[in-house]
Amino acid sequence: GQNIDQPTEMTATEGAIVQINCTYQTSGFNGLFWYQQHAGEAPTFLSYNVLDGLEEKGRFSSFLSRSKGYSYLLLKELQMKDSASYLCAVRTDSWGKLQFGAGTQVVVTP
Amino acid sequence: DAGVTQSPTHLIKTRGQQVTLRCSPKSGHDTVSWYQQALGQGPQFIFQYYEEEERQRGNFPDRFSGHQFPNYSSELNVNALLLGDSALYLCASSPRGQGGRDTQYFGPGTRLTVL
Repeated sequence: GQNIDQPTEMTATEGAIVQINCTYQTSGFNGLFWYQQHAGEAPTFLSYNVLDGLEEKGRFSSFLSRSKGYSYLLLKELQMKDSASYLCAVRTDSWGKLQFGAGTQVVVTP
Repeated sequence: DAGVTQSPTHLIKTRGQQVTLRCSPKSGHDTVSWYQQALGQGPQFIFQYYEEEERQRGNFPDRFSGHQFPNYSSELNVNALLLGDSALYLCASSPRGQGGRDTQYFGPGTRLTVL
């Protein structure tokens, strides 16, 4: 079967660091995406990995290990506005179909 | 430059009815994908349209159908609505030539409630 697993919820304090893990098992792999989604809004693109290693983009970094079927999203210097759901998605073919995990709800507390 | 737009924003229907949702892709994009997102879940791929034809389809019944127009806009039709069809329906557009990084841009979605 095909699975993309990520924790349901994580809580962290403003200014701290949080790491959201994602493991995947899919029939194809053509890149892994992380999206941020605030309640009732559209997912917005955060990061993309297709090769192994770390991609850094400001306060957000994403890591990929294709051999382990594993990725993480690292959020640094957390701000209250970072409270949202974070979706891990695998692009399973060259046409762009995305398979999503259920999302990780990050709650940032003062 | 307008992003992906969807209409209507919200919709309430009763079981057995039919619904049509609309999407206009981001300027320069010609591929439209539709996703269904139930509460507390990640989006599930319904289908993708390119050159006015359905190119890929996810595990959704034939009650879900679509169309793409020459201007690349798209419609999602759902017949014989069930309570379980209540969800946020997201449209995503992308440019030709898949393979780049942030290739899919999502619209704000249509919240469908079936009573």
